[in-house]
Amino acid sequence: ILNVEQSPQSLHVQEGDSTNFTCSFPSSNFYALHWYRWETAKSPEALFVMTLNGDEKKKGRISATLNTKEGYSYLYIKGSQPEDSATYLCAFNWRGGATNKLIFGTGTLLAVQP
Amino acid sequence: DSGVTQTPKHLITATGQRVTLRCSPRSGDLSVYWYQQSLDQGLQFLIQYYNGEERAKGNILERFSAQQFPDLHSELNLSSLELGDSALYFCASSEGTNPSYEQYFGPGTRLTVT
Repeated sequence: ILNVEQSPQSLHVQEGDSTNFTCSFPSSNFYALHWYRWETAKSPEALFVMTLNGDEKKKGRISATLNTKEGYSYLYIKGSQPEDSATYLCAFNWRGGATNKLIFGTGTLLAVQP
Repeated sequence: DSGVTQTPKHLITATGQRVTLRCSPRSGDLSVYWYQQSLDQGLQFLIQYYNGEERAKGNILERFSAQQFPDLHSELNLSSLELGDSALYFCASSEGTNPSYEQYFGPGTRLTVT
């Protein structure tokens, strides 16, 4: 069974704090790793797609890294703002499975206090 | 706004009934995916269509079926509904079937089965 795990489940930080979360996935047959941001009452919004070991992607204050050999990805948020409050989901594609079928983790819920 | 539209936004129906959920992908996207999010579970992949043809199947029940029409919109049909089918159903679209393509999610249809 292919499993994607995210930690922590939830995180409460103060405005201005930097934070990071982890996504763990099976390291064999890796194809791609996606990060999504999901605000309450909205739909998931794509942040990054990473395919190569060592990939680093950045969008504003948010960045992500990928280690396919050990099966993990980190998402970093620098100087958290209240508008960063959301659930951050990672999702995994693997070779040998259906093309573009994503296996989602259960997410990390981030709450940023002003 | 992702450019993916879903109707209806909310649906309340009784057990044993049949409903149809509709999705229009972003302009130019050929792939459509359906996901289910139940209260106690993360996003579960149901099925993918690419340019009118079924491409991948996930945890989709036999009571559920889908299709993608020549204009690329898709419909998810849920029949013999049970209480456990109550969930948020998302549609997503992407340019093609490559796992490195981002998926863009619609606003979802909340189905309540009473």
